[in-house]
Amino acid sequence: EAGVAQSPRYKIIEKRQSVAFWCNPISGHATLYWYQQILGQGPKLLIQFQNNGVVDDSQLPKDRFSAERLKGVDSTLKIQPAKLEDSAVYLCASSLDNGGKQYFGPGTRLTVT
Amino acid sequence: GENVEQHPSTLSVQEGDSAVIKCTYSDSASNYFPWYKQELGKRPQLIIDIRSNVGEKKDQRIAVTLNKTAKHFSLHITETQPEDSAVYFCAASQAGTSYGKLTFGQGTILTVHP
Repeated sequence: EAGVAQSPRYKIIEKRQSVAFWCNPISGHATLYWYQQILGQGPKLLIQFQNNGVVDDSQLPKDRFSAERLKGVDSTLKIQPAKLEDSAVYLCASSLDNGGKQYFGPGTRLTVT
Repeated sequence: GENVEQHPSTLSVQEGDSAVIKCTYSDSASNYFPWYKQELGKRPQLIIDIRSNVGEKKDQRIAVTLNKTAKHFSLHITETQPEDSAVYFCAASQAGTSYGKLTFGQGTILTVHP
């Protein structure tokens, strides 16, 4: 079974630029999560989708972050404009259903200079 | 919202010893408690999980115990090996509800010395 795929793996941008990350969940997984993991900390949920609807985006900085999951499969997370404090690893995870076992992708390491 | 506290932040053991990591959670409605292992630069990997209708679960050298009354759960690793060295995260969620997101602890850096 193929795992969660993410791209790019690494991205370096300057502050105030924009960036987008892509995630392809495990086939058949209805729930998709985007997490932010700052160095030395546990992952923090940014947004959770159930199929193509948003379940929880309470911790998403909506003035600069946006995410979509068109057709209930792939998802993109965008940051515009980026700030220095956005430097982190962005992890995508998926689960068969809401609250089931979550499987993580390899992450995208973002560095904002 | 849920808050998960994890201790210790670092743990150093000799190969063959046991290691125990403890977590407490705040929301009594949480019913699902997974543990993840994350090696440097790698993705978090689910190693074991437990649901609130079970008090203990074991898988070879790892086990998890849950005390719902006290709202804490622990990871036990026996006969540790150098390849067990990694960061371990506990998490809690209300699986099956609209609050199914995982809330993670701060992580424990486990070092197993040969």
